[in-house]
Amino acid sequence: GAVVSQHPSWVICKSGTSVKIECRSLDFQATTMFWYRQFPKQSLMLMATSNEGSKATYEQGVEKDKFLINHASLTLSTLTVTSAHPEDSSFYICSASRGLLYGYTFGSGTRLTVV
Amino acid sequence: DAKTTQPNSMESNEEEPVHLPCNHSTISGTDYIHWYRQLPSQGPEYVIHGLTSNVNNRMASLAIAEDRKSSTLILHRATLRDAAVYYCILPITSGTYKYIFGTGTRLKVLA
Repeated sequence: GAVVSQHPSWVICKSGTSVKIECRSLDFQATTMFWYRQFPKQSLMLMATSNEGSKATYEQGVEKDKFLINHASLTLSTLTVTSAHPEDSSFYICSASRGLLYGYTFGSGTRLTVV
Repeated sequence: DAKTTQPNSMESNEEEPVHLPCNHSTISGTDYIHWYRQLPSQGPEYVIHGLTSNVNNRMASLAIAEDRKSSTLILHRATLRDAAVYYCILPITSGTYKYIFGTGTRLKVLA
């Protein structure tokens, strides 16, 4: 149990366009999901906390208008990178939890390349 | 928030035990210790977690020091598939329960 699916696994887009990444909890409901970004050879950096039915909470330094997060249901959160630029190229990873005792399950990640 | 310190990298021979240390000297009494690992180009996967007592599961063992200021993840027989970055995490529990990742330990397994 506790499977988190992330889609797409990779995407290439042109500079200036927007890209949407989906994160789904397949066999459990998640009121809270998290979005991370990871640059090559670096650790995961928490970007924001996605809350079902309310606004996301962004970490310091993360532009909320740049990275739009929607958590419309208990099983789906989306991250939209708006007006993407080459510096937004990164590995984006989501996570969700069934509850405190279970820890968090991570998606397989989305590699975004902006050309 | 309690922080963790891990060596940047370690090497092990295949089929030998590996001990991955983590220091967390500012841990509080209610902080759980979680370990995850990340294989190349994948999201992190859960390895093990504990509070005070040593823990065992099919993947690994977790040895927690009596004062809880450090812990050690033990892989009993390393395989090539265990080559990954291992993260020791103390979840933040004030407000939303969340993970902040440190630099982790990159484990290299030699055939």
